[in-house]
Amino acid sequence: DAGITQSPRHKVTETGTPVTLRCHQTENHRYMYWYRQDPGHGLRLIHYSYGVKDTDKGEVSDGYSVSRSKTEDFLLTLESATSSQTSVYFCAISESDRKNEKLFFGSGTQLSVL
Amino acid sequence: QQQVKQSPQSLIVQKGGISIINCAYENTAFDYFPWYQQFPGKGPALLIAIRPDVSEKKEGRFTISFNKSAKQFSLHIMDSQPGDSATYFCAAISGGSNYKLTFGKGTLLTVNP
Repeated sequence: DAGITQSPRHKVTETGTPVTLRCHQTENHRYMYWYRQDPGHGLRLIHYSYGVKDTDKGEVSDGYSVSRSKTEDFLLTLESATSSQTSVYFCAISESDRKNEKLFFGSGTQLSVL
Repeated sequence: QQQVKQSPQSLIVQKGGISIINCAYENTAFDYFPWYQQFPGKGPALLIAIRPDVSEKKEGRFTISFNKSAKQFSLHIMDSQPGDSATYFCAAISGGSNYKLTFGKGTLLTVNP
């Protein structure tokens, strides 16, 4: 998957606990994204990054924060997980932010919040 | 507000048949329309994309048809194969940046042998 590693691949946690998902890329791409995929909703952008320490909100950012201290790593944190955050989370990368630039996705993290 | 409406939710086609997935949009600012293919347990991957200044784009067995006046576009998979069984997402982008990518809800395609 284009040099993208997401960890963990699966996680089960309890409501109210903090959770951090990691995305690691070996492509040296500037742009990184976090999406969530839910049945009946397609893919929705949570947060994205356009460089080290440069991040911005997507359409479903409430309850999530991100950090990017190195080009290769983009972390997604759920400060206090809720059942509504049970989802499959995908990291994506792109070389530029041009609209015709291909997005490369990781294999996803299945998160269950009980 | 769903900006890209995709149908059907699921589709079953026999091997060798034509698979057709439709998408409609309302935002006339959308100016780039990619399709992504996703296999179980994997992330989506770009399949094919089209700009609104052309009515059709073909890559192998995959064709996008675009109707700007109707604000509709569709994916046609000719000679469908079991290996095409996957979830397909249409998407649309407005403006110059792909972080404004809006996805449809997806279509689960099953091609029976």
